[in-house]
Amino acid sequence: NAGVTQTPKFQVLKTGQSMTLQCAQDMNHNSMYWYRQDPGMGLRLIYYSASEGTTDKGEVPNGYNVSRLNKREFSLRLESAAPSQTSVYFCASIRSRSRETQYFGPGTRLLVL
Amino acid sequence: KQEVTQIPAALSVPEGENLVLNCSFTDSAIYNLQWFRQDPGKGLTSLLLIQSSQREQTSGRLNASLDKSSGRSTLYIAASQPGDSATYLCALDQTGANNLFFGTGTRLTVIP
Repeated sequence: NAGVTQTPKFQVLKTGQSMTLQCAQDMNHNSMYWYRQDPGMGLRLIYYSASEGTTDKGEVPNGYNVSRLNKREFSLRLESAAPSQTSVYFCASIRSRSRETQYFGPGTRLLVL
Repeated sequence: KQEVTQIPAALSVPEGENLVLNCSFTDSAIYNLQWFRQDPGKGLTSLLLIQSSQREQTSGRLNASLDKSSGRSTLYIAASQPGDSATYLCALDQTGANNLFFGTGTRLTVIP
């Protein structure tokens, strides 16, 4: 099992460019999550997908869109990147939404110039 | 809005010492609390999960406690080792939906 994988590992964008961060899990988990981590702050939830075909906003959704492509894959899209979106992005998944812990990917470092 | 605080932000201890990491939260209506470990440049790894009805959980040299009434959790690490060096994060689930509120973390360095 690869667990949770994320691509790319690192990306540099110019302001206004768009890109999609990819996340996949091979654990047959139902729920998937996108977080961002900024220096001096804890992880903050951007969007989540409780099950295939559903998505919901988290704490900081502005400037992002998501797609739950199938049960395995959950992508995060930046339509017009801004310097404030410079961050480390983590994807996570969980089999069921209570009494269990989330499994995290290794992260994508994004720098927006 | 739930606020989760971890103090100190950084801690250095000599190898072999026992230590306690602190996590405080403002809203005691929580479903569970988790402790994670994050190594530099890596993702998070779950260490312990405490349900709201529990007072503590143990795994090896780690013991986590939860006191909802005072809004506090502690992570006790016994006989620290250099391999314990990492950032430790606590996170709260308020509703059971697993939408976690994270603290800012404590960066632990264990000196050989």
